[in-house]
Amino acid sequence: DAGVIQSPRHEVTEMGQEVTLRCKPISGHNSLFWYRQTMMRGLELLIYFNNNVPIDDSGMPEDRFSAKMPNASFSTLKIQPSEPRDSAVYFCASSFGVSDEAFFGQGTRLTVV
Amino acid sequence: KQEVTQIPAALSVPEGENLVLNCSFTDSAIYNLQWFRQDPGKGLTSLLLIQSSQREQTSGRLNASLDKSSGRSTLYIAASQPGDSATYLCAVEGGKLIFGQGTELSVKP
Repeated sequence: DAGVIQSPRHEVTEMGQEVTLRCKPISGHNSLFWYRQTMMRGLELLIYFNNNVPIDDSGMPEDRFSAKMPNASFSTLKIQPSEPRDSAVYFCASSFGVSDEAFFGQGTRLTVV
Repeated sequence: KQEVTQIPAALSVPEGENLVLNCSFTDSAIYNLQWFRQDPGKGLTSLLLIQSSQREQTSGRLNASLDKSSGRSTLYIAASQPGDSATYLCAVEGGKLIFGQGTELSVKP
């Protein structure tokens, strides 16, 4: 398996634009996680899914953020409208179960100018 | 609310030294603890996972221990090498994975 695949690797966008980040988890994994990493706050869990169902979205910072998992092999994280303070590296991770070993993608570096 | 703390924040050692990284957590009700490595500009690589019922795990030159009752874990790296230079993160799983801020390790040749 190629591991967790995220796209794009880098995204630069203007404030107010919509941004969509994509993630393909490892085949067979039932849990998927979205994290945000910044220098100030470290790694923060935004939301996680189990069997395509959102279980905990308490980390989603605002209504501008939304995440979907339409099937077991694809998830999106959308920010609309984007703001400069959203600039960060966004990671997607997957695991067999919520408490199993987690595998991370390479991340998407988002810059909002 | 679970809080994870890693000490030290940064560490610089000469090649060949054995070293210990520390991780503490406030809520002992965890399923497991994972240690990750992150190279600059890269994703996280899982190094070791210790289930809550286990005391330690070993992989090559790495040994991780877990004392759940005291809320502590250590990552021991033997005979450090320049290639070990990276940020090391611990994370505890108690329903969701909560990360510490990491220890930035630099191994000088």
